[in-house]
Amino acid sequence: AQKVTQAQTEISVVEKEDVTLDCVYETRDTTYYLFWYKQPPSGELVFLIRRNSFDEQNEISGRYSWNFQKSTSSFNFTITASQVVDSAVYFCALTQGGSEKLVFGKGMKLTVNP
Amino acid sequence: DVKVTQSSRYLVKRTGEKVFLECVQDMDHENMFWYRQDPGLGLRLIYFSYDVKMKEKGDIPEGYSVSREKKERFSLILESASTNQTSMYLCASRVEPGFTEAFFGQGTRLTVV
Repeated sequence: AQKVTQAQTEISVVEKEDVTLDCVYETRDTTYYLFWYKQPPSGELVFLIRRNSFDEQNEISGRYSWNFQKSTSSFNFTITASQVVDSAVYFCALTQGGSEKLVFGKGMKLTVNP
Repeated sequence: DVKVTQSSRYLVKRTGEKVFLECVQDMDHENMFWYRQDPGLGLRLIYFSYDVKMKEKGDIPEGYSVSREKKERFSLILESASTNQTSMYLCASRVEPGFTEAFFGQGTRLTVV
């Protein structure tokens, strides 16, 4: 079975604070793919990043960075120097190798206050 | 630009009605998905399809069926709508295989009264 857990449901920060969104996954497969999506108030989900199970290299894109650790089955997302425009619901998702099924966590609502 | 279009943004239906939610993608994607989004429950997978006329149940298929007669179109059917099916419904598509990202429609807010 495949499962994604986002333990935090809601976080509120002040602009310029750093914030980390946690994602823990479960899968029986050695090949799998992890994703992060952003859902702004407008509602449409926007893809942020993809990572496959064979690539544990961390990634940085501007103020966004991702830390993938297979040892703890985690794929955490950090926003540095948060901005009001980062306010959204963020989802972590997983596909097991050999399956087309895409499963999401419950999401984490981030509010960045000015 | 990739495009996933859901036929309605808002829909109000009566209990017991048969409801069709339509989703069309213009990217020639093999995989299509239907999710429902509820507060505190995130996105839950109802059904997905990996080819024309092929479908698989997701995590919460009860009360729903789907149809995929053409590659670009994936329909979600509520055979007899109930109030507990009031929700936001999201359609997504992606190319095979499973390491690619999915593209989402704008969502349909369905209210069953």
